[in-house]
Amino acid sequence: QSVLTQPPSVSAAPGQKVTISCSGSSSNIGANSVSWYQQLPGTAPKLLIYDMDKRPSGIPDRFSGSKSATSATLGITGLQTGDEADYYCGAWDNSLSAYVFGPGTKVTVL
Amino acid sequence: EVQLVESGGGLVQPGGSLRLSCAASGFTFSSYWMNWVRQAPGKGLEWVANINPDGSGKNFVDSVKGRFSISRENDKHSMYLQMNSLRAEDTAVYYCTRAGGNYLVYWGQGTLVTVSS
Repeated sequence: QSVLTQPPSVSAAPGQKVTISCSGSSSNIGANSVSWYQQLPGTAPKLLIYDMDKRPSGIPDRFSGSKSATSATLGITGLQTGDEADYYCGAWDNSLSAYVFGPGTKVTVL
Repeated sequence: EVQLVESGGGLVQPGGSLRLSCAASGFTFSSYWMNWVRQAPGKGLEWVANINPDGSGKNFVDSVKGRFSISRENDKHSMYLQMNSLRAEDTAVYYCTRAGGNYLVYWGQGTLVTVSS
């Protein structure tokens, strides 16, 4: 099982908002920044959010990130069919000396 | 433009060895931590290992410690993953990634490793 926990799936209608939670511990999310990755079907993952709430160039502001203690949240507003993908949170774990990912959350646009 | 191109994947028998390569371009390779991340068929992402800019610092996920090694040649803009004593559970697409702080900024397209008899 993963060190970070995420819901297996979330869904909403086009134009709506979804949030994805990522829960960890004091050795990972509690101590280090959280990143989020988007993996569209059949493609390599792509960095979506880094340092909790920053977006790389080209990522629309419909995507946002936040963190509170040992949990983080990814928000997607104005949901589009092109947002259907798997989303993973990730963080460095000081106790494991390893980078850890959540199990992934599948976003479905109804 | 940053490019990461993996190679070396293929079919190998249990207990066998394989060496993956990652060719990097479009950035100052010798300045960045590099990582390997894998994804088993139909499964999630699993970080495998990383190496610091000059190659003196390395970390591994517990499941590959003692079997995998990571190295780099900065003059060739290349990183490697030597995989020994391969097991069926090592079957996955292996991605080369470049770090930027505590996150993985750029990803290659991956190379498939299949461990099967």
